[in-house]
Amino acid sequence: GAVVSQHPSRVICKSGTSVKIECRSLDFQATTMFWYRQFPKKSLMLMATSNEGSKATYEQGVEKDKFLINHASLTLSTLTVTSAHPEDSSFYICSARDPSVSYNEQFFGPGTRLTVL
Amino acid sequence: GESVGLHLPTLSVQEGDNSIINCAYSNSASDYFIWYKQESGKGPQFIIDIRSNMDKRQGQRVTVLLNKTVKHLSLQIAATQPGDSAVYFCAEKVNGNNRLAFGKGNQVVVIP
Repeated sequence: GAVVSQHPSRVICKSGTSVKIECRSLDFQATTMFWYRQFPKKSLMLMATSNEGSKATYEQGVEKDKFLINHASLTLSTLTVTSAHPEDSSFYICSARDPSVSYNEQFFGPGTRLTVL
Repeated sequence: GESVGLHLPTLSVQEGDNSIINCAYSNSASDYFIWYKQESGKGPQFIIDIRSNMDKRQGQRVTVLLNKTVKHLSLQIAATQPGDSAVYFCAEKVNGNNRLAFGKGNQVVVIP
């Protein structure tokens, strides 16, 4: 089956620094990837849709200058949390869309736990 | 039993019993639904899906029921095992739209 990886799986950083999270589709080409944020005991909230070769589409309330998304190739999207603050601490999950699959075409990564001190 | 409040709704079930998890979805235009299982510290794992032209679909030990009239979805797990302990999310989607909308989640705790 389709496999999506994320790196790193866990990161701790100081307040004010920037953190980059990578999302890779390992065995398929993903024209679209999605970034979600999940707080403890809460559901997944879509942050943005990342399209290869074009600008990401952000959900309402998500700051695009705060959460920079780059989808430079068909197998890699990156999310950079700029000037991170403790309130950005969360579980970030990506998914990748396999265009050759109908309906259940989103495959999820294992998540990245970000802790901002 | 089931509890709600500040924490996730939690269903405690004895090992070997059947579990039923419910979900109310919001968009009457949604025509595709998925149940995901999420273990602590991991990403969502696909369990089963159903299209809106069906009202029931069965997998291995799992059954999904869809009631479009009241916009309700349920997941039944037969002979619940300790490995079924996780948070379960329903998700809805409109065909042709890439976006998945997730429900609030239900915690299942299996008592050995």
